[in-house]
Amino acid sequence: GQSLEQPSEVTAVEGAIVQINCTYQTSGFYGLSWYQQHDGGAPTFLSYNALDGLEETGRFSSFLSRSDSYGYLLLQELQMKDSASYFCAVRDEDDYKLSFGAGTTVTVRA
Amino acid sequence: DSGVTQTPKHLITATGQRVTLRCSPRSGDLSVYWYQQSLDQGLQFLIQYYNGEERAKGNILERFSAQQFPDLHSELNLSSLELGDSALYFCASSPKGTGNSPLHFGNGTRLTVT
Repeated sequence: GQSLEQPSEVTAVEGAIVQINCTYQTSGFYGLSWYQQHDGGAPTFLSYNALDGLEETGRFSSFLSRSDSYGYLLLQELQMKDSASYFCAVRDEDDYKLSFGAGTTVTVRA
Repeated sequence: DSGVTQTPKHLITATGQRVTLRCSPRSGDLSVYWYQQSLDQGLQFLIQYYNGEERAKGNILERFSAQQFPDLHSELNLSSLELGDSALYFCASSPKGTGNSPLHFGNGTRLTVT
């Protein structure tokens, strides 16, 4: 099976930088994904890391260290619209089901 | 708009009843996933289908069942409903269902059991 751990809540001000860490345990590793979900809405895909290193997409970046079973999502130049829940996710050893962490609620204050 | 359609958007029913949730995947996607999200909780994986066949199963209750039809739409059947089944039920689809295929989620069905 899989288990993922991420902080439950993070609060920051507009313009700040937030890092959401995710540690995982899985029998087979097929990459770490990140999803964003605004209150009650559909989760949307943000990024995917299969190899070690940093992937940058605009204000958001995602990092992976396979040797440490660890990754993070970096949100830069925070905006009010970034207030949402962020989930890390990994696939199982058969590369099928996608399991999600419990989510990190990011609150951006003016 | 993700291209994934879920119906109905809202469903209110009584304990002991049975309901069917429907999902149409994005055009061209062969894999469908079902997730349950209770209030302020994470996304709990229920089941995955690929091209009509069950591929992976999570902690899905025996009272719950699902299937994917030849036209690739999927239905999730929930029976003998209990208060604790009240949740948001999301369907998601992806082209292959493996690797780095991102999941595209529908807007969910909000089920309230009274």
